[in-house]
Amino acid sequence: EVQLVESGGGLVQPGRSLRLSCIASGFAFGDYAMSWFRQAPGKGLEWVGFTRSKPYGGTAEYAASVKDRFTISRDDSKSIAYLQMNSLKTEDTAVYYCARGRCSGGNCYAPDFFDYWGQGTLVTVSS
Amino acid sequence: QSALTQPRSVSGSPGQSVTISCTGTSSDVGGYNYVSWYQQHPGKAPKLMIYDVTKRPSGVPDRFSGSKSGNTASLTISGLQTDDESDYYCCSYAGSSTYVFGTGTEVTVL
Repeated sequence: EVQLVESGGGLVQPGRSLRLSCIASGFAFGDYAMSWFRQAPGKGLEWVGFTRSKPYGGTAEYAASVKDRFTISRDDSKSIAYLQMNSLKTEDTAVYYCARGRCSGGNCYAPDFFDYWGQGTLVTVSS
Repeated sequence: QSALTQPRSVSGSPGQSVTISCTGTSSDVGGYNYVSWYQQHPGKAPKLMIYDVTKRPSGVPDRFSGSKSGNTASLTISGLQTDDESDYYCCSYAGSSTYVFGTGTEVTVL
């Protein structure tokens, strides 16, 4: 059974940093892209970024709203994806979800969709 | 990148059909066949309902169907059931390895 469990959320002051983890199980983690999303209180879903699987370089892509502040990485030996968040702003307050990226065809440089999601972890940025 | 436009809410009686639209541009919805739909119950994680515009993951009832015309994608729920009452979000690939979500639609079963 595919499972994704996020952790690391909490209350943090503006300008500080926080690292979220997404622990995966039930599938060959190294074969998949992993993505992060967020949802501010009472708002809709927002894509944050994703990391490619190692066969596709293991590189990451980001939404403009977080680029240069957030970094996504992965440890395939531990089946964990990370979201390092620096210079946090009050508008970064949200529930953060990780999800597995999938492609319908053989080429998966960027996922076509996201099939399994974790339950989320709440990040509150406030003084 | 602006969010895709969805109606704020739609409603229907049990057994009826409802359709949720998702309007973007030629740079996202209209430019790629990579539109997916997610169901999200309050306080829960999103669940994939439709991918690649029309495809259903295993386990999703065939009452759920997707389509696209030009810059607008649609999700239709046929034979509406009480458990279908939820928020629904569309998502489209938007080029350059980026993605954009819709504004979300609340489905109410009357």
